[in-house]
Amino acid sequence: GDSVTQMEGPVTLSEEAFLTINCTYTATGYPSLFWYVQYPGEGLQLLLKATKADDKGSNKGFEATYRKETTSFHLEKGSVQVSDSAVYFCALSDTGNQFYFGTGTSLTVIP
Amino acid sequence: EPEVTQTPSHQVTQMGQEVILRCVPISNHLYFYWYRQILGQKVEFLVSFYNNEISEKSEIFDDQFSVERPDGSNFTLKIRSTKLEDSAMYFCASRRLDREDEKLFFGSGTQLSVL
Repeated sequence: GDSVTQMEGPVTLSEEAFLTINCTYTATGYPSLFWYVQYPGEGLQLLLKATKADDKGSNKGFEATYRKETTSFHLEKGSVQVSDSAVYFCALSDTGNQFYFGTGTSLTVIP
Repeated sequence: EPEVTQTPSHQVTQMGQEVILRCVPISNHLYFYWYRQILGQKVEFLVSFYNNEISEKSEIFDDQFSVERPDGSNFTLKIRSTKLEDSAMYFCASRRLDREDEKLFFGSGTQLSVL
């Protein structure tokens, strides 16, 4: 069945460091791919998405490219800030009705 | 931005007791979901609900679980006889109907602790 595997955490980085959080997926069809973020005490919020191969989703300095050949959707940011500290979830939707999430990767950015 | 609201934020219950988790989805959304996350594990799909009936459900969603939309605004998850392994964070989510907008809006979750 469809599933998402993302990098184990937690991740701790200094401010302005480069961030990569790996995500790979398994799907029978042509899924849409998402990154959601959860800030402390809040619900999951959509960060970015890509709906087809080679699409790049971007938002707030974060980027992820839909790579069909490697079945990956890695999240990157060139220079993280303390305010980026949160839990990041990779997800996919194959039918548009059901969404599959990874375990989440906790990111802490220290000044 | 509109919000999905969940209450309570924390619920502690004794094993075998019934609990009802409440959610108010965004008003013009038509698809509703419950997910849960056991500590350290994946966010797991439980059930989706559309047009006043269950659209899909996972293997986790057995006879102990039920969902209801009693009054056109609330969306509830009931666990009839809680077990220790039901301890988790439960998330409600909603979205618009159209495939072109696959964005899920989540509530901040209810942390359920079964003792």
